Amino acid sequence: QQQVKQSPQSLIVQKGGISIINCAYENTAFDYFPWYQQFPGKGPALLIAIRPDVSEKKEGRFTISFNKSAKQFSLHIMDSQPGDSATYFCAASLNSGGSNYKLTFGKGTLLTVNP
Amino acid sequence: KAGVTQTPRYLIKTRGQQVTLSCSPISGHRSVSWYQQTPGQGLQFLFEYFSETQRNKGNFPGRFSGRQFSNSRSEMNVSTLELGDSALYLCASSFGSGYYEQYFGPGTRLTVT
Repeated sequence: QQQVKQSPQSLIVQKGGISIINCAYENTAFDYFPWYQQFPGKGPALLIAIRPDVSEKKEGRFTISFNKSAKQFSLHIMDSQPGDSATYFCAASLNSGGSNYKLTFGKGTLLTVNP
Repeated sequence: KAGVTQTPRYLIKTRGQQVTLSCSPISGHRSVSWYQQTPGQGLQFLFEYFSETQRNKGNFPGRFSGRQFSNSRSEMNVSTLELGDSALYLCASSFGSGYYEQYFGPGTRLTVT
């Protein structure tokens, strides 16, 4: 059972455009939603994260939009640059009793930003 | 601050052998989690250790095991390797277990032939 569904699998955007990646989750107990960026040969790097008590969080060119009722969240990359070309993963986790904590990842989106 | 380090970076093993991978977390971090990354299954959680105790475990067979030392360094072991174990194994560290950001290492690329 895939608990976090991510789309699209791949995305091509022109430099300066907006990249939008969507994720949907099933487990309403999830309470932490990070996005990771991964370059070839590297481990994932935390980009930005949100908790369900806010509907939007912005850090620089990256914005997370969160819709709790629809169980969806998305990453918007404004003014996309060729250096943003990477694989992006959404994830979700729940804190069960304060000691159980694991990330459930989406399948990833390969973003290509053309110059 | 130095990041998460993993050794070795690359490994080639034969089916049936066993392998041990090592992870050194960021200084001060006490929680270490392990993930398996494959093209087909994506990133899957293996287990988490905090203060030398396994706190959580994913859906992997018992051939996959781990441990954590008093200095928070962690090792994972895979016994009786199968071809399907070929993957990138990622270690992530965080300050504590719970609401803390996880920082990933570069991974160990394991190839089983």
